[in-house]
Amino acid sequence: EIVLTQSPGTLSLSPGERATLSCRASQTVSSTFLGWYQQKPGRAPRLLIYGASSRATGIPDRFSGSGSGTDFTLTISRLEPEDFGVYFCQQYGPSPRTFGQGTKVEIK
Amino acid sequence: QLQLQESGSGLVKPSQTLSLTCTVSGGSISSREHSWSWIRQAPGKGLEWIGYVYYSGSTYSNPSLQSRVTISVDRSKNQFSLRLTSVTAADTAVYYCTRETEFWGNDYWGQGALVTVSS
Repeated sequence: EIVLTQSPGTLSLSPGERATLSCRASQTVSSTFLGWYQQKPGRAPRLLIYGASSRATGIPDRFSGSGSGTDFTLTISRLEPEDFGVYFCQQYGPSPRTFGQGTKVEIK
Repeated sequence: QLQLQESGSGLVKPSQTLSLTCTVSGGSISSREHSWSWIRQAPGKGLEWIGYVYYSGSTYSNPSLQSRVTISVDRSKNQFSLRLTSVTAADTAVYYCTRETEFWGNDYWGQGALVTVSS
C-alpha cells in the first residue's frame, strides 16, 4: 500500500497569502493518478486537482498542483476566505487507493 | 447533473452488519469509464478508502477491511451497496459514496451518511 504523508499538519495564514501544501508518497506515484480534495466542516470533500496538475471543473485558477514521483504540491496563490478548510491528497492508481492525513488551512 | 445519495441505518449494534445503499441519479451506473466507491471518515479523522465496484459487478476492497466488506451493484435500480459485518465502535464514521472516473479520481460525492455503532 502506498502511504501518503502530508505536511504541514496545520497552516495558519491570512487572506491574500500564498499557501503551499506538500504530499509525499512512500513509493512512486504516477502523476496521472494523484488528486487533491478540499473539505469544509460538515461537507463532503470536493475534487480540486486531478492528474497532479489539472484543475477540476469550476475550480479557480488560484489553485494549482505540481510534482511527480514521490513529491507533490498544492499551491493556493492568494487565499480567499472560502479557501479555509482541510485539504487531502489521494493516489487513485494501484489499489488500495490511499489518502494523506490532511492539511488544515486556518485563518491566522 | 449527477447526484449520489446514501441511505441506510444510522445506528448499528456492535457485532451486527452495517448496510448502506447509494442511489445514483442524473446518470447511469452502467458506465465503463467509472467505478463506484465507498469512503469513510471517522469523527475528526481523515479519509479511509473502503473499496469500489464496477457496473459489471467486479469489486476490490481495502485489505484492511476485506474480510468484512461486500460491495455490490444493482444496475436495474442504478444503485450500489455496502455491507460491513461484525462492526465495532471503530466503524463509527460518515460513509460517503462516490464516483471515480479513470484519470480524474473521485469527481462526485454523496453528502455522506453518519453511521454510529453503539448498543
